[in-house]
Amino acid sequence: QVQLQESGPGLVKPSGTLSLTCDVSGASISSSNWWSWVRQPPGKGLEWIGEIYPSGSTNYNPTLQSRVTISVDKSKNQFSLQLSSVTAADTAVYFCAREEKNDGYPRWDYWGQGTLVAVSS
Amino acid sequence: DIQLTQSPSSLSASLGDRVTITCRASQSISNYLTWYQKKPGMPPNLLIYAASSLQSGVPSRFRGSGSGTDFTLTISSLQPEDFATYYCQQSFSTPRTFGQGTKLEIK
Repeated sequence: QVQLQESGPGLVKPSGTLSLTCDVSGASISSSNWWSWVRQPPGKGLEWIGEIYPSGSTNYNPTLQSRVTISVDKSKNQFSLQLSSVTAADTAVYFCAREEKNDGYPRWDYWGQGTLVAVSS
Repeated sequence: DIQLTQSPSSLSASLGDRVTITCRASQSISNYLTWYQKKPGMPPNLLIYAASSLQSGVPSRFRGSGSGTDFTLTISSLQPEDFATYYCQQSFSTPRTFGQGTKLEIK
């Protein structure tokens, strides 16, 4: 059974950097999947942040691209998110997810439970 | 970026009802359309991918259809566990984008 688990600080100060890690179990992060981050601000909809392939290739949401870095650590079977210069607008539940594409149609089939990150002084 | 517009934004229905949610894309996305169910405090749950393919383990009362720019999610015979928010999402191109969501409430 594939499982993903987010971890990281639940509180970040304005102008600081949000850092989260997603631990993957039951699957190899080196498999032919993209690994993604998605967030949901309180009371709002879902927003895709970006994704990484095991090779290190990344795609980011243009609205966040200047502040986002997604990286992968194959030795630990995990991937990470860094979001810099955060403001209150970055307060959200952050999810990590695996994208499956075995038949050519990408979809997120496994998700972490999500972690709430608040930006506040 | 491809914009997805869902309608309605909210919907009240009764147990056993059949409901339909629509999702319109700002340009053709072929059938690269996915539907997720979202409940508070839970991650999104994959229901339908490739516009009409039912994810393993999802009840057959969920059905997706459409291609190009217009898509629908139909839930036949609503069950108590179906009351949630539903999102469409396109995987035709990056950035991946979601519809704004449709909140399905009990009447």
